[in-house]
Amino acid sequence: KAGVTQTPRYLIKTRGQQVTLSCSPISGHRSVSWYQQTPGQGLQFLFEYFSETQRNKGNFPGRFSGRQFSNSRSEMNVSTLELGDSALYLCASSNPGQGYYEQYFGPGTRLTVT
Amino acid sequence: DQQVKQNSPSLSVQEGRISILNCDYTNSMFDYFLWYKKYPAEGPTFLISISSIKDKNEDGRFTVFLNKSAKHLSLHIVPSQPGDSAVYFCAASAVNYGQNFVFGPGTRLSVLP
Repeated sequence: KAGVTQTPRYLIKTRGQQVTLSCSPISGHRSVSWYQQTPGQGLQFLFEYFSETQRNKGNFPGRFSGRQFSNSRSEMNVSTLELGDSALYLCASSNPGQGYYEQYFGPGTRLTVT
Repeated sequence: DQQVKQNSPSLSVQEGRISILNCDYTNSMFDYFLWYKKYPAEGPTFLISISSIKDKNEDGRFTVFLNKSAKHLSLHIVPSQPGDSAVYFCAASAVNYGQNFVFGPGTRLSVLP
């Protein structure tokens, strides 16, 4: 079974621009979560999508948004990029049943904002 | 305020010996915990989980122990192998938080041959 894939793997953008990152979950997984990893803050939860609906949201400004498609693929968008948005963006998929579930991460998209 | 703490940034262990990685949490609502390992340039890889109804869970060389009263969990790796050298993260969540896992800052494990 193929793992979680993320595209692109690397991205360089200029402050003020916007960016869209893509995540394809493991086949059959309906939940996709997004995380931001930075050296100073570690791994921080952005949001989770399940069946095309945002189910949970972390403490990030409204410039960070996402969506999920009917095939469970997900995109996250960051508008009006700031230098502090430079980070590794990870998505994770899971197959939730009753209770809790393990997340399987993709390799990440390294975003650099200049 | 860090809700999940891993107070040892790094740990070195001899091959074949036991590695013990520790994690403390402050939020008493947390009731499900995961351990991940991460190699450079890769996403975290799920290792093992434990829910608050248990105090121990084993999977091969990996065992996780949970002490709810102390709000402490630990990951034991026995025997340690050089391929185990990576950064290890613990993560916690609660029934109302869904997939909103709070991650610790990680511990870098080096297993010396």
